[in-house]
Amino acid sequence: DADVTQTPRNRITKTGKRIMLECSQTKGHDRMYWYRQDPGLGLRLIYYSFDVKDINKGEISDGYSVSRQAQAKFSLSLESAIPNQTALYFCATRQGSYNEQFFGPGTRLTVL
Amino acid sequence: GNSVTQMEGPVTLSEEAFLTINCTYTATGYPSLFWYVQYPGEGLQLLLKATKADDKGSNKGFEATYRKETTSFHLEKGSVQVSDSAVYFCALSGDNQGGKLIFGQGTELSVKP
Repeated sequence: DADVTQTPRNRITKTGKRIMLECSQTKGHDRMYWYRQDPGLGLRLIYYSFDVKDINKGEISDGYSVSRQAQAKFSLSLESAIPNQTALYFCATRQGSYNEQFFGPGTRLTVL
Repeated sequence: GNSVTQMEGPVTLSEEAFLTINCTYTATGYPSLFWYVQYPGEGLQLLLKATKADDKGSNKGFEATYRKETTSFHLEKGSVQVSDSAVYFCALSGDNQGGKLIFGQGTELSVKP
């Protein structure tokens, strides 16, 4: 079984709809991250969390919110989706000060 | 602020050719440097890393050396295979940055038989 899972894997929605993307991990890591990937731009950080009570904005947090429901779960919400939020979204985890981040398989979101 | 610049793709090579993907960075202090690989339809996987100057990361025949004097971390492989076709991302994690990764834009590699 995958250590970092994301649901849904694909989602098509309409402008103005509220969308939640979910991430779960079985690695026992304390830190979790949400990134979006756009062609030609690489991955950019949306939000990150060091534990359930510590949520931080990344470089492109506008239009997004997050919830850390438990150490293993980190959800990303788009309160009112817009077309330029069409992208591939990745969740990642990391344990403490170790360098490596582990990525989920991604969620492809299309906003029409 | 911190940033990473990669050579633009796509890069198309024949099997067994030599690969270089250039990566340069801008950062204060002593960042850790990474190469991640994304195979079609999959998430990112760590390919190799280096945490201090002159370190060489290596994995699956790929290598990269952390060059502080030239602020570079170029990815190389002596003989590519069709199965190496993927998108490669250079990334850094800066000092006291909470482990946040700053990514380059990615370089798509296509290896033809």
